[in-house]
Amino acid sequence: GDSVTQMEGPVTLSEEAFLTINCTYTATGYPSLFWYVQYPGEGLQLLLKATKADDKGSNKGFEATYRKETTSFHLEKGSVQVSDSAVYFCALASGGSYIPTFGRGTSLIVHP
Amino acid sequence: NAGVTQTPKFRILKIGQSMTLQCTQDMNHNYMYWYRQDPGMGLKLIYYSVGAGITDKGEVPNGYNVSRSTTEDFPLRLELAAPSQTSVYFCASRQAVAFFGQGTRLTVV
Repeated sequence: GDSVTQMEGPVTLSEEAFLTINCTYTATGYPSLFWYVQYPGEGLQLLLKATKADDKGSNKGFEATYRKETTSFHLEKGSVQVSDSAVYFCALASGGSYIPTFGRGTSLIVHP
Repeated sequence: NAGVTQTPKFRILKIGQSMTLQCTQDMNHNYMYWYRQDPGMGLKLIYYSVGAGITDKGEVPNGYNVSRSTTEDFPLRLELAAPSQTSVYFCASRQAVAFFGQGTRLTVV
């Protein structure tokens, strides 16, 4: 079945550092790929998405590129802020139903 | 405000008790989901629905039941609560790009 693997956290960075959170996937067909963010005490919210190979999703300074050849969708940001501290989930949706499948989540902690 | 509304936000149950977690959305989405979130385990799909009157099991359905009599509502029923059901429960709607509620934190003691 479909699955998403993302790097374990927590990831701890200083403000203005470069961020990468790795995500790889296994899916039948051609899935759509997503990154969601969860702030403390809240539900998940969509951060960015890509629907086909080589698409780049971007939002709020975050970027991720759909790499079909490596089945990856790594999240990057050039300069993180304390307010980016949250849990980030990689997800995919594929097949006829397009029901989202989530990774385990990666906690990001940004220090001033 | 438009979105997915879950009630209650917090609940403590005793072993063997039952309860219903409520979920309502006002965006006219056909697809709705229930996930549970356990620390370090991500989100596991419990049940989902592709429209009123249609429900199906997800990855971890044991100990839960659902119904979907209207497009708006998708309640999750826990029968005979067990400590293993201590978790944060999220309801979501919409196909592919999910909109999430704020969650219900349930503790079974």
